[in-house]
Amino acid sequence: AQKVTQAQTEISVVEKEDVTLDCVYETRDTTYYLFWYKQPPSGELVFLIRRNSFDEQNEISGRYSWNFQKSTSSFNFTITASQVVDSAVYFCALSEATGGYQKVTFGTGTKLQVIP
Amino acid sequence: ETGVTQSPTHLIKTRGQQVTLRCSSQSGHNTVSWYQQALGQGPQFIFQYYREEENGRGNFPPRFSGLQFPNYSSELNVNALELDDSALYLCASSYNGHRNTEAFFGQGTRLTVV
Repeated sequence: AQKVTQAQTEISVVEKEDVTLDCVYETRDTTYYLFWYKQPPSGELVFLIRRNSFDEQNEISGRYSWNFQKSTSSFNFTITASQVVDSAVYFCALSEATGGYQKVTFGTGTKLQVIP
Repeated sequence: ETGVTQSPTHLIKTRGQQVTLRCSSQSGHNTVSWYQQALGQGPQFIFQYYREEENGRGNFPPRFSGLQFPNYSSELNVNALELDDSALYLCASSYNGHRNTEAFFGQGTRLTVV
């Protein structure tokens, strides 16, 4: 069974600090996808990034960067120069196509508070 | 903002009642998934509909049921409501429900059962 663990429940940083959100996953599939979503207080989940299990190339997109390490089953997310608008709950998620449908398993989320 | 809309945004029901939640998927998307998010938890997969058929289900009892219409909009029905059904219900739409497509989520319906 797939599982996603986000050990950090809450993180507080001062604006402009860098912050890394950790994610560890478990799966028996050899092909899978990993996602990060952001959930602001409004409740809507906002898609941030998708990575497939064959693409371990790390990426930087603006202030966001991702570190995918298959050997340790980790998919960490870093925000550089954090801003107050980054305050939200961040979810790591794992997607497998089980029986022909996409079942997404979410972690329990990390609440990020950026203090001005 | 995504093109996925859910209604109503908030709802209060009494234990034992039935409720219907609605979701309009993003244009061009033929797959709708429903998730239940309890307070302080991550979303839990309820089921997925693809071209009007349920093609996947999580660990939820049969009193959670759904429909998908020809325009790919969807309903989630919950019968015999229990207090533990209080949660944020999220609808997500995607194209073909494949593992390699990101799902676009609506803003959710917050259901309170009293």
